[in-house]
Amino acid sequence: GAVVSQHPSWVICKSGTSVKIECRSLDFQATTMFWYRQFPKQSLMLMATSNEGSKATYEQGVEKDKFLINHASLTLSTLTVTSAHPEDSSFYICSAPLPSHEQYFGPGTRLTVT
Amino acid sequence: RKEVEQDPGPFNVPEGATVAFNCTYSNSASQSFFWYRQDCRKEPKLLMSVYSSGNEDGRFTAQLNRASQYISLLIRDSKLSDSATYLCVGTGGSYIPTFGRGTSLIVHP
Repeated sequence: GAVVSQHPSWVICKSGTSVKIECRSLDFQATTMFWYRQFPKQSLMLMATSNEGSKATYEQGVEKDKFLINHASLTLSTLTVTSAHPEDSSFYICSAPLPSHEQYFGPGTRLTVT
Repeated sequence: RKEVEQDPGPFNVPEGATVAFNCTYSNSASQSFFWYRQDCRKEPKLLMSVYSSGNEDGRFTAQLNRASQYISLLIRDSKLSDSATYLCVGTGGSYIPTFGRGTSLIVHP
């Protein structure tokens, strides 16, 4: 299957700092990628759709100025959590679809804000 | 109403049992459907695609019923390693996935 990487796999940061998470499709090109957040024992929540060459589309209730998304190339999307707070601590996952609509997920980034 | 509905379970079954999950969807424009498996603190991994004609992969069988708008997953001869959360996913032409909340399966000795 297709491979999607994410970096870093985990990060601990202080409240008020910003954290950048990278999502890469390693063996295919992805004009679209998706970013999710998952709190413990809860389901995946789609945060935004990252579009190569254009602005991201955010789901209702997700602050676009707080979660900055940049789709720099056909294989890279980044999510920056700005001015992080403890309530932003979560598991952040990205995915990229193949033309067949199968989604391949990155391994996730566990963010802890202290 | 959520677009994709799943019984969260948990389904608690003994090894060797057969277990079935159903998932219903409300968006008739959804084109493609998949089952994913998610282990605790891990990312979802694609288990299988779902076709109207039904498809089978070893102990796993998936079926799509477009008329009734539901998807099913059947697991035969359950193993301890099948314990996980199973996610039902539908996508439309925009590729935006719609996830069910997942069904938890616990297989015990």
